[in-house]
Amino acid sequence: GQNIDQPTEMTATEGAIVQINCTYQTSGFNGLFWYQQHAGEAPTFLSYNVLDGLEEKGRFSSFLSRSKGYSYLLLKELQMKDSASYLCAPMDSNYQLIWGAGTKLIIKP
Amino acid sequence: IAGITQAPTSQILAAGRRMTLRCTQDMRHNAMYWYRQDLGLGLRLIHYSNTAGTTGKGEVPDGYSVSRANTDDFPLTLASAVPSQTSVYFCASSEEGHLTGELFFGEGSRLTVL
Repeated sequence: GQNIDQPTEMTATEGAIVQINCTYQTSGFNGLFWYQQHAGEAPTFLSYNVLDGLEEKGRFSSFLSRSKGYSYLLLKELQMKDSASYLCAPMDSNYQLIWGAGTKLIIKP
Repeated sequence: IAGITQAPTSQILAAGRRMTLRCTQDMRHNAMYWYRQDLGLGLRLIHYSNTAGTTGKGEVPDGYSVSRANTDDFPLTLASAVPSQTSVYFCASSEEGHLTGELFFGEGSRLTVL
């Protein structure tokens, strides 16, 4: 079956760095997405990885290892507004997104 | 502001009642989707439409129906609501099916079935 595993909750300090891990098992693979979702709001797109390696976009970076079925989202210089849930979503061979339950990130001053 | 509009934003509904959640987009995206989001679970796809005039079943289609008469509108209907359909419903769109990946979401419709 298809499965996504990411931590339920993480806590970090303002200004610090945090890494949110995601492991996945899917039927085929066509890339992996990360979305951010603030409480009570809609998810918004953060990143897309289809090849192995690190993609950097400002304070956020996303890494993919297809052979290990592993991705992480790296957030630098944390700000209070980064408090949100982060959703990992690989795309399977049918181009369907398989969503993880999300990691709730709590930023403390 | 271009985007996706959902209505209603919140609704309490008696079990057995019929309910239609509305979704309209003005980005001229070909593909549209309905997801439900429940605490502790990932987003689950209910129905999708890759282009006007076509629809498909997602992961959890039972109890729901959709139509796609034109590019902009994609309503979701609960024919006879049950308490297990209490959830937050998100409508989303993308330029072309899932191939481009990036989804644009509406603000959600919170539905409570009593």
